[in-house]
Amino acid sequence: SAVISQKPSRDICQRGTSLTIQCQVDSQVTMMFWYRQQPGQSLTLIATANQGSEATYESGFVIDKFPISRPNLTFSTLTVSNMSPEDSSIYLCSVISGGGADTQYFGPGTRLTVL
Amino acid sequence: AQSVAQPEDQVNVAEGNPLTVKCTYSVSGNPYLFWYVQYPNRGLQFLLKYITGDNLVKGSYGFEAEFNKSQTSFHLKKPSALVSDSALYFCAVRPAQGGYQKVTFGTGTKLQVIP
Repeated sequence: SAVISQKPSRDICQRGTSLTIQCQVDSQVTMMFWYRQQPGQSLTLIATANQGSEATYESGFVIDKFPISRPNLTFSTLTVSNMSPEDSSIYLCSVISGGGADTQYFGPGTRLTVL
Repeated sequence: AQSVAQPEDQVNVAEGNPLTVKCTYSVSGNPYLFWYVQYPNRGLQFLLKYITGDNLVKGSYGFEAEFNKSQTSFHLKKPSALVSDSALYFCAVRPAQGGYQKVTFGTGTKLQVIP
């Protein structure tokens, strides 16, 4: 399995500002994913980020609000732009790892509070 | 469209008793099925998966799950619950065929093990 780290682990931000979350993986992976978990809710996929191509966003999520970078096979960033209190969530990075490309592993998450 | 149902928001069980966390799914074709656990203020940890083969799958921390195709279920079980098993459990599904396809998560079941 892959070991995934995220920075920051938590942050408190003012509305209207932006926050960039970093995701680092200990091995090269093709597919990386960003999820949002709102308080008391399940996971919602924001986008899929493959190295060398534009991120693919799910319905309800747009690049202007959640720009993603994927500069290499071990790193990605997600920016939450022009934040509002509704953006308060846990943001999780996830990768596919292992033979068969069948299991996703998750980072520890970034807990974001927007005031 | 694929879906996952976890009918119980919360399951309470006494320490030492067997536990079951229920999951049913809907997907086109054969499924890949997963269980994840989320401890407070942590990311999701992979517990076990069903890909093919034996319907009884064994995973981490003494957990197991039984795939039942006729009932489209994948219930998580453990013979003897520990207080440390108290956490949020997510079931997930995706189609088995056609390369990687998006995983759908259930809404989660909070397991409370009572000392």
